[in-house]
Amino acid sequence: DAKTTQPPSMDCAEGRAANLPCNHSTISGNEYVYWYRQIHSQGPQYIIHGLKNNETNEMASLIITEDRKSSTLILPHATLRDTAVYYCIVRVAPRHNQGGKLIFGQGTELSVKP
Amino acid sequence: DGGITQSPKYLFRKEGQNVTLSCEQNLNHDAMYWYRQDPGQGLRLIYYSQIVNDFQKGDIAEGYSVSREKKESFPLTVTSAQKNPTAFYLCASRDRARDNEQFFGPGTRLTVL
Repeated sequence: DAKTTQPPSMDCAEGRAANLPCNHSTISGNEYVYWYRQIHSQGPQYIIHGLKNNETNEMASLIITEDRKSSTLILPHATLRDTAVYYCIVRVAPRHNQGGKLIFGQGTELSVKP
Repeated sequence: DGGITQSPKYLFRKEGQNVTLSCEQNLNHDAMYWYRQDPGQGLRLIYYSQIVNDFQKGDIAEGYSVSREKKESFPLTVTSAQKNPTAFYLCASRDRARDNEQFFGPGTRLTVL
């Protein structure tokens, strides 16, 4: 699985968009980009994933660059409850990845401030 | 409500004692996972199971054991051979038929005194 690089921490004002970057320059053609978040002392929560097209769901949007070497998770209107560690994970689809394992890095600690 | 439960939320044990952490899911998921998290770090995979009566070691299996006798349950035993057992332990499950996310339980914080 390709390695990812994320900034260790970011701040965002409540109500504004939070844009969380992730670099994955060694990503291969069959690897997806997944985002999870972990609120303090809780289990991680899936947010979104994508292969090469931009994706949007009720929680967030995922923008993947054309060369797929980086991506950005966008929380359009951040709230205080979005304060968490956000993990960007690159891996092949579970059917190709033995056991569907996830490899978590250290993530980005997002602090949403009033 | 469907979901994953882990109990207890906090667990204290004396050094040298084995301890078993519970993980139950009613999501009818085939695959289940155990992760360990240390302060300020990401999650590391201990063991995983794709079907009943089958499991594989993850990246840090030494000092741990698991069983998968029922689809709903995947208990983790932290043995006395685990040198640094104090950590936050997370269980997860996934529907193998879909290429989607893992669902995580609330975690158990184990402290060995």
